[in-house]
Amino acid sequence: GAVVSQHPSRVICKSGTSVKIECRSLDFQATTMFWYRQFPKQSLMLMATSNEGSKATYEQGVEKDKFLINHASLTLSTLTVTSAHPEDSSFYICSARNHLADTQYFGPGTRLTVL
Amino acid sequence: GESVGLHLPTLSVQEGDNSIINCAYSNSASDYFIWYKQESGKGPQFIIDIRSNMDKRQGQRVTVLLNKTVKHLSLQIAATQPGDSAVYFCAERKNSGYSTLTFGKGTMLLVSP
Repeated sequence: GAVVSQHPSRVICKSGTSVKIECRSLDFQATTMFWYRQFPKQSLMLMATSNEGSKATYEQGVEKDKFLINHASLTLSTLTVTSAHPEDSSFYICSARNHLADTQYFGPGTRLTVL
Repeated sequence: GESVGLHLPTLSVQEGDNSIINCAYSNSASDYFIWYKQESGKGPQFIIDIRSNMDKRQGQRVTVLLNKTVKHLSLQIAATQPGDSAVYFCAERKNSGYSTLTFGKGTMLLVSP
């Protein structure tokens, strides 16, 4: 299957700081990228969908000014958690899809802990 | 046996047994389905997919069955191994023009040696 990477895999930050998470598709062009959030022992919750070169589409209840998404190229999307607070602590997972295929491939996830 | 936990139902099997993980999906218009495996602390890993014009698809040790009449999807794992222990999610795509996947709640598979 296709390979999607995320960086960093784990980050600990102080409350009020901003954190950027990168998602890269390594061996295919990702026309669409997705960002999910997952709490322990729960399913994945879609936060937003981004198409290369377009503004992201956010799911209901997800603050776009809080979770900034940039999809500037066909292989890179970034999620920036701005002014992070302890309630933002979670497992963030990106996913990428090529318009020629249906399958979404997931990155390994980023564990964010806000102190 | 199968039990329902606070968040995730759990299926416990012995090594070598066949496992069947079930999923009920919500939308009769869904045209594409995927099964993912997620190990602790990792991202979901693609296992197998199936389109709505099929009712069965086989992979290596895995088979997905789709029953559109009752909106039911199942994943069968043959000769289950301890390395199969993980949480399994089904996902549906609600129609080809709307590319977002919707995930089920997940089932934890525990394989005992």
